[in-house]
Amino acid sequence: GAGVSQSPRYKVTKRGQDVTLRCDPISSHATLYWYQQALGQGPEFLTYFNYEAQPDKSGLPSDRFSAERPEGSISTLTIQRTEQRDSAMYRCASSLTWREGSNEQFFGPGTRLTVL
Amino acid sequence: TQLLEQSPQFLSIQEGENLTVYCNSSSVFSSLQWYRQEPGEGPVLLVTVVTGGEVKKLKRLTFQFGDARKDSSLHITAAQPGDTGLYLCAAMDSNYQLIWGAGTKLIIKP
Repeated sequence: GAGVSQSPRYKVTKRGQDVTLRCDPISSHATLYWYQQALGQGPEFLTYFNYEAQPDKSGLPSDRFSAERPEGSISTLTIQRTEQRDSAMYRCASSLTWREGSNEQFFGPGTRLTVL
Repeated sequence: TQLLEQSPQFLSIQEGENLTVYCNSSSVFSSLQWYRQEPGEGPVLLVTVVTGGEVKKLKRLTFQFGDARKDSSLHITAAQPGDTGLYLCAAMDSNYQLIWGAGTKLIIKP
């Protein structure tokens, strides 16, 4: 696609429910990142993929968070048993590769998650 | 732990003034990126600096990478309201993961 897209743009859920967020990266991009971003702050790394491999998931806050990219393109971020503290903007970004020189990140519009 | 510290956290100035924001670390990086994020949007890359001492200019924006590749600065000349945004620096760590500063929120008042 022309850019990184994310869906839904807004999600309101009740505490305890599971949610799944979707990211559709730029089609030629090997690397995909998930971030959590608070208003007026820099992105906080959650995890990333190189194609379908997930080399680093150290940023995931707890085992309730998981991400997949089974075919090396679209990715999903799932939060199980949501808690109010999970409320945040979740941003996806993709880059051509993970290597320096080709790792400019292109960000999606984000999903604003609100847990009531 | 590699950290990028940005300063100031917040800056509000009048149109036409000059300003400098900073990105500092105790770690050495092989490259550093500056992004700008406007409200409601994702960050957008402005520049990548690679060589110690490197200076890059993008119209009224001047980026410098420190000689030791531990710090960087962004200088804006004759700031305009369109420069308003969150300025973020990011650098790659040894795990090929970009680490991000917390950003400088810049407001340019007309």
